[in-house]
Amino acid sequence: GNSVTQMEGPVTLSEEAFLTINCTYTATGYPSLFWYVQYPGEGLQLLLKATKADDKGSNKGFEATYRKETTSFHLEKGSVQVSDSAVYFCALITGGGNKLTFGTGTQLKVEL
Amino acid sequence: EAGVTQSPTHLIKTRGQQVTLRCSPISGHTSVYWYQQALGLGLQFLLWYDEGEERNRGNFPPRFSGRQFPNYSSELNVNALELEDSALYLCASSSRLGSPGYNEQFFGPGTRLTVL
Repeated sequence: GNSVTQMEGPVTLSEEAFLTINCTYTATGYPSLFWYVQYPGEGLQLLLKATKADDKGSNKGFEATYRKETTSFHLEKGSVQVSDSAVYFCALITGGGNKLTFGTGTQLKVEL
Repeated sequence: EAGVTQSPTHLIKTRGQQVTLRCSPISGHTSVYWYQQALGLGLQFLLWYDEGEERNRGNFPPRFSGRQFPNYSSELNVNALELEDSALYLCASSSRLGSPGYNEQFFGPGTRLTVL
C-alpha cells in the first residue's frame, strides 16, 4: 500500500533560518505529491504540488522537488518567518482512488 | 470565490448518539472527500463522492456513512458514537474526475466533534 514518512517534529528555528522538512514515500504507480499546511485551529491549505518526476512545486517561498530515484519530496524554504509556524503535511495520491495518503505531519515553530 | 464550507464548527455529543456533519464544495467542484483527523492517528481518508456516487471508502466501520446531493454538497453521518470518534472532520473538494487538476483537493476549516 501507499505510505508517507515525514521527519519527526517539532522543528524549532530562528527567524530567517533555512528550513528543510524531509518526506519520503512508498507508492504503487506514479503518485502526485503534495505539501499541505495547517495553521492552529484551521483546516488544511494546499501549499504546493508536483505531478511527475523532477517537477518542482513552489509557493510563498517554499519549494519541493519530486525525486523518483530517492522517492522523496523534501520541503525547503530559504528564510522562514514567525508566520510560517504551523504543521506541515506531506501527502500523495495515486490512481483512481483519489484519496490522499498523509504523513504524520511536522510541527514547525519559528522564533524571533 | 468562496472556499469549502463546513457546519457546524464545533459539536459535543454523548456516546451512542448520532451526528450529521455538512459540507459545501467550492463552486464548480463535483467531488467531495471526508477525512478524520484524530489525535495520535493523523489524517485518515473516510469517503469520496463524485457526481452523487460513493467512489471510494476508507477503512471505517459502516456506522460512518454519507451522501452527496444534486448540488454537490455532502453530509457525513456517524451513528452510535464512540469516544474514539472525537476528532476534527475535514471536508475537501476537487474538480470533476478526469478534469485538469482533479487530484488537487481543497479543504474546509473542519468540524470539531467531541464525544463524551
